[in-house]
Amino acid sequence: NAGVTQTPKFQVLKTGQSMTLQCAQDMNHNSMYWYRQDPGMGLRLIYYSASEGTTDKGEVPNGYNVSRLNKREFSLRLESAAPSQTSVYFCASSEAWASLDSYNEQFFGPGTRLTVL
Amino acid sequence: AQTVTQSQPEMSVQEAETVTLSCTYDTSESDYYLFWYKQPPSRQMILVIRQEAYKQQNATENRFSVNFQKAAKSFSLKISDSQLGDAAMYFCAYRRKSGNTPLVFGKGTRLSVIA
Repeated sequence: NAGVTQTPKFQVLKTGQSMTLQCAQDMNHNSMYWYRQDPGMGLRLIYYSASEGTTDKGEVPNGYNVSRLNKREFSLRLESAAPSQTSVYFCASSEAWASLDSYNEQFFGPGTRLTVL
Repeated sequence: AQTVTQSQPEMSVQEAETVTLSCTYDTSESDYYLFWYKQPPSRQMILVIRQEAYKQQNATENRFSVNFQKAAKSFSLKISDSQLGDAAMYFCAYRRKSGNTPLVFGKGTRLSVIA
């Protein structure tokens, strides 16, 4: 049971290049999330997928696109990378989007450190 | 919109001593969940402790406990008998119990443990 996995762990891009960050979970969770972490800013939500087939914007979606490929996988794409997108990216999953009866805590992947030159 | 504030960017504690990390939040909801996550240098986000707003009793997990003051909208984390492995970033997070709203994180407190 690997939990939440992310690839790659590190990436360096040049301005204008594109790339896709991959995320997969094996906990049969319905909801998945992408965050970015910048120094002094905490974690900020980029996009989320409440359930398979749905995606929605979070707090900082500009410059990103996402795909919920199936229940297990949720990818984040940078079409034209910019230096402002240099950050650590985390994928997370939770059993459901909203639950009245459980804590529904999020489980996080190990993160991807992305540098855009 | 809900906000979470961690007013201490950095804290330090002597090994074996006790330290308290502060967290306040702003919400108009009456029922919600609160969490503390730990992020060691490995970057992995680890859930430390969680609290449901409707529960009066403060949550505890081994050396970790919270002081939940609902009226004051305060959710502090106490670490007892601090160990070197407790050195990490700590994030407080809030989630509304119902409806389509995500976790809201504070900006974090970096804890150093001095041997």
